[in-house]
Amino acid sequence: GAGVSQSPSNKVTEKGKDVELRCDPISGHTALYWYRQSLGQGLEFLIYFQGNSAPDKSGLPSDRFSAERTGGSVSTLTIQRTQQEDSAVYLCASSRRPTSGTDTQYFGPGTRLTVL
Amino acid sequence: DQQVKQNSPSLSVQEGRISILNCDYTNSMFDYFLWYKKYPAEGPTFLISISSIKDKNEDGRFTVFLNKSAKHLSLHIVPSQPGDSAVYFCAARIAGGTSYGKLTFGQGTILTVHP
Repeated sequence: GAGVSQSPSNKVTEKGKDVELRCDPISGHTALYWYRQSLGQGLEFLIYFQGNSAPDKSGLPSDRFSAERTGGSVSTLTIQRTQQEDSAVYLCASSRRPTSGTDTQYFGPGTRLTVL
Repeated sequence: DQQVKQNSPSLSVQEGRISILNCDYTNSMFDYFLWYKKYPAEGPTFLISISSIKDKNEDGRFTVFLNKSAKHLSLHIVPSQPGDSAVYFCAARIAGGTSYGKLTFGQGTILTVHP
């Protein structure tokens, strides 16, 4: 079946502009995660959605970052007033049963964001 | 505070030989560990995992070893193949709480397997 898809694949924006990144998880997966990978760094957790529970926003670096997940499926990550340090690859992942000890997160190809 | 560390940014190995990728962690609450492989312009793909109640898990050419007392895990690839050339990320999950699935990743190690 289809994997996790993300759009756009690349986004170049000017400092101060707002951007929206989209993630379509695998159908039937209840959990959705956003991570980002800055140059030379590992993946950094941003936010986690699980079913109808309140999202875990503990990884969001500032209040300029927000995310929502509509209808338990598609998610949008919004970055307001972008800064150059926001430049990174933003990765989305989904999983079926996060409370299972063997649950696997499946990643999308990512959105490369460049803030000029 | 880097809770999961991969201290070797890169590793170069000859085809057919063993590749050993290392990972150290500091948080004793981690109970599940994973290795992901990433090719350029693609998302990470799951490779192999190990629970903290085990010290070894094997899947074909890939074996992960966990040393809880040393807070250290390693991934062995035997024999290494040129197609294994990728970035390898170590990840760990913390037990309990509301973010049961949230993963903490290391910085990654670039593996290059030469023909």
